[in-house]
Amino acid sequence: DIQMTQSPSSLSASVGDRVTITCRASQSISSYLNWYQEKPGKAPKLLIYAASSLQSGVPSRFSGSGSGTDFTLTISSLQPEDFATYYCQQSYSIPWTFGQGTKVEIK
Amino acid sequence: EVHLVESGGGLVQPGGSLRLSCAASGFTFSTYWTHWVRQAPGKGLVWVSRINTDGSITNYADSVKGRFTISRDNAKNTLYLQMSSLRAEDTAVYYCARGAGNSRAFDIWGQGTMVTVSS
Repeated sequence: DIQMTQSPSSLSASVGDRVTITCRASQSISSYLNWYQEKPGKAPKLLIYAASSLQSGVPSRFSGSGSGTDFTLTISSLQPEDFATYYCQQSYSIPWTFGQGTKVEIK
Repeated sequence: EVHLVESGGGLVQPGGSLRLSCAASGFTFSTYWTHWVRQAPGKGLVWVSRINTDGSITNYADSVKGRFTISRDNAKNTLYLQMSSLRAEDTAVYYCARGAGNSRAFDIWGQGTMVTVSS
């Protein structure tokens, strides 16, 4: 199975901050990397697919980059509604696997 | 509007069985791969199973292989997960999710249904 490792596991940031979350795969996954946002009691929401493509309806302050084994999710200017947990997920090979999550908290 | 709505969760004893359903609306269900993903309380997301458009191809996580069966009824726009020999570690919120084209991301999720395995 492909292991996905996110860092950091949690971070504290202020509104307006630039936030970067990284995700590393245990082997090359090309660009089969997706990012999700999860809020308490809600279903996850797709933000970025294929490493860098913005899902329809997602604000442009979210962006993704990377290929191979190293990927990044960036929030250019953190907004109050962005405080949530973020997961990366590989869709390169079965079983699909997720990172352990990064919780973004208010500083 | 595109929707997935899960049902069928509940409390079941270890060793018991349960069938989850996921009703799709607002899109052509029969043209999409669909998945089950679960999340144990306070834990992360774990992919469980997937099924192709006509039900002829299925895949499972090792942790559920031989105990869970995914199926679909395209005439009813419904996805199913038959769960048997349930264990305490199967306790989780179960989400159905739509697989999105070439990226194979999960672009639409249901609200989830809780399964609790306990005596």
